[in-house]
Amino acid sequence: AQSVTQLGSHVSVSEGALVLLRCNYSSSVPPYLFWYVQYPNQGLQLLLKYTTGATLVKGINGFEAEFKKSETSFHLTKPSAHMSDAAEYFCAVINSGNTPLVFGKGTRLSVIA
Amino acid sequence: DAGVTQSPTHLIKTRGQQVTLRCSPKSGHDTVSWYQQALGQGPQFIFQYYEEEERQRGNFPDRFSGHQFPNYSSELNVNALLLGDSALYLCASSLYTTGTDGYTFGSGTRLTVV
Repeated sequence: AQSVTQLGSHVSVSEGALVLLRCNYSSSVPPYLFWYVQYPNQGLQLLLKYTTGATLVKGINGFEAEFKKSETSFHLTKPSAHMSDAAEYFCAVINSGNTPLVFGKGTRLSVIA
Repeated sequence: DAGVTQSPTHLIKTRGQQVTLRCSPKSGHDTVSWYQQALGQGPQFIFQYYEEEERQRGNFPDRFSGHQFPNYSSELNVNALLLGDSALYLCASSLYTTGTDGYTFGSGTRLTVV
């Protein structure tokens, strides 16, 4: 079954530092990949998605992710962390068609002033 | 343009009781999926409804059931509640023909079973 693995349940960075959240997928065919963010006591908001085409995907709030087939990875990055980026981040995958969206366990991002 | 709306936002129930959660999808969407998110965990897929039929189901017992109405809104029912059913229940909507575009999520219903 299609799945994603998020490395690191908690990542802490200083304000202004690079943010790197890791996600690897398991698939024999290129999947459809997503990053969602969840702020405390809220639902999930789509940050960005990779479906087809360009492998470097730009999302909201300055985040981007690069699909690397050779590494089966879809890591999320942001050049400069802001305090408002503190949240839970989930990598998710859809295999094909209308198979359900499957989530990783999440990475909690803390930003230190 | 309203997004996905869920009601109620919070709910407290006693073990053994039954609960119904409601979801209205984003305008233009025809598919509703339900997820359970336990504290500190990622969302787990419960089931998906399209054309008023359950199309796919995750690894949840029959105590979890659902319904989709002609206007695409949906309900999630849980019978014989257990303490372990305490979680945030998320509803997500999508368009069936473009499911790979991702889902739009509501803010969730926080269910506490005591």
